[in-house]
Amino acid sequence: DVKVTQSSRYLVKRTGEKVFLECVQDMDHENMFWYRQDPGLGLRLIYFSYDVKMKEKGDIPEGYSVSREKKERFSLILESASTNQTSMYLCASQVTTGELFFGEGSRLTVL
Amino acid sequence: AQRVTQPEKLLSVFKGAPVELKCNYSYSGSPELFWYVQYSRQRLQLLLRHISRESIKGFTADLNKGETSFHLKKPFAQEEDSAMYYCALRTYNTDKLIFGTGTRLQVFP
Repeated sequence: DVKVTQSSRYLVKRTGEKVFLECVQDMDHENMFWYRQDPGLGLRLIYFSYDVKMKEKGDIPEGYSVSREKKERFSLILESASTNQTSMYLCASQVTTGELFFGEGSRLTVL
Repeated sequence: AQRVTQPEKLLSVFKGAPVELKCNYSYSGSPELFWYVQYSRQRLQLLLRHISRESIKGFTADLNKGETSFHLKKPFAQEEDSAMYYCALRTYNTDKLIFGTGTRLQVFP
């Protein structure tokens, strides 16, 4: 079974803090994704990576950056958290057939 | 631009009733469509994909290119089908999946 692990299930941060969300997959997949999930808005793609050190912006990259130094790890970074970044963040890893495997999610609250 | 539309935010039915969750897409090329499901307190997971043309947990979905639709159907809903359902589109030349806004299915006893 593919395993995608997000290190933090729940985080509470203050406005202006730097936030790191970590995601690790154990299947040597090349493609990894970060989405945010909001009620009524569905899943929106923030960034994705198709190889180590390779990344592409998704639909809503503003306020976010990513890091992929190792194949198995894809990190989402909020340089200066804002209240409108309060959300559920989902990491996913992709098999060659296109299917995404998701982590359990990281619920971030920015006060 | 590619887009996935799920017109219903909430669909409520009684156990044993037929269910149809609507999904329409906008894409000029050859699409690949998926349905994902998220049960309460569980991770988002694949339910089915149009290429496999299989039935999962009694659910089926047929790709209708003429109507650009990929509706999810089940003839007799069960209480355990209550969940959030997302339709997703993968375009021919990218690996990205574009998701709809989701439909919450509530099945009452």
